[in-house]
Amino acid sequence: KNEVEQSPQNLTAQEGEFITINCSYSVGISALHWLQQHPGGGIVSLFMLSSGKKKHGRLIATINIQEKHSSLHITASHPRDSAVYICAGRDSGGGADGLTFGKGTHLIIQP
Amino acid sequence: NAGVTQTPKFQVLKTGQSMTLQCAQDMNHEYMSWYRQDPGMGLRLIHYSVGAGITDQGEVPNGYNVSRSTTEDFPLRLLSAAPSQTSVYFCASSRTGNNSPLHFGNGTRLTVT
Repeated sequence: KNEVEQSPQNLTAQEGEFITINCSYSVGISALHWLQQHPGGGIVSLFMLSSGKKKHGRLIATINIQEKHSSLHITASHPRDSAVYICAGRDSGGGADGLTFGKGTHLIIQP
Repeated sequence: NAGVTQTPKFQVLKTGQSMTLQCAQDMNHEYMSWYRQDPGMGLRLIHYSVGAGITDQGEVPNGYNVSRSTTEDFPLRLLSAAPSQTSVYFCASSRTGNNSPLHFGNGTRLTVT
């Protein structure tokens, strides 16, 4: 069974700082999702990647399949980035939908 | 497009009551799923479906039933609510295949007293 670990669990930073959230998993995966959950609960898909790097605005996601590790970076962070960020790995050998979710990183950006 | 629509947003039940959480999507996605989210834990899969007429159990299926009579709808039924089912429930959909992003509903906060 895949284990997905996120770090840090909680992160408080000042507006403008560069943010890095890490995700590591125990078994090989075919794809990894990064999700954002704002206060009030809705979950939005940010990225889905299986190799390399993707960028959307101030958000960058990278993945190293061999090292079983992915990172989410936020450049020029802003208070509206405050949210819980969740990674989920999809392993090709797993049952059900093959997705294992991390517990999330609670990010607070202070003005 | 409305995306994934979940209702109700909030619900309070007494132990033993039954209810149905509704989920509908208008993106013609084959794959739909239900998760529960509890404090300190990752999202956990309850049931999922890869197409109309096909459903299967996830990690925590006990106490829940699903059906998929159409591509659009995937209701989740609580048969006899228990306090352990107090949670936030999310419905999600996607195209099948490993490289398809997930689309989530806004969640249902359920309290069982």
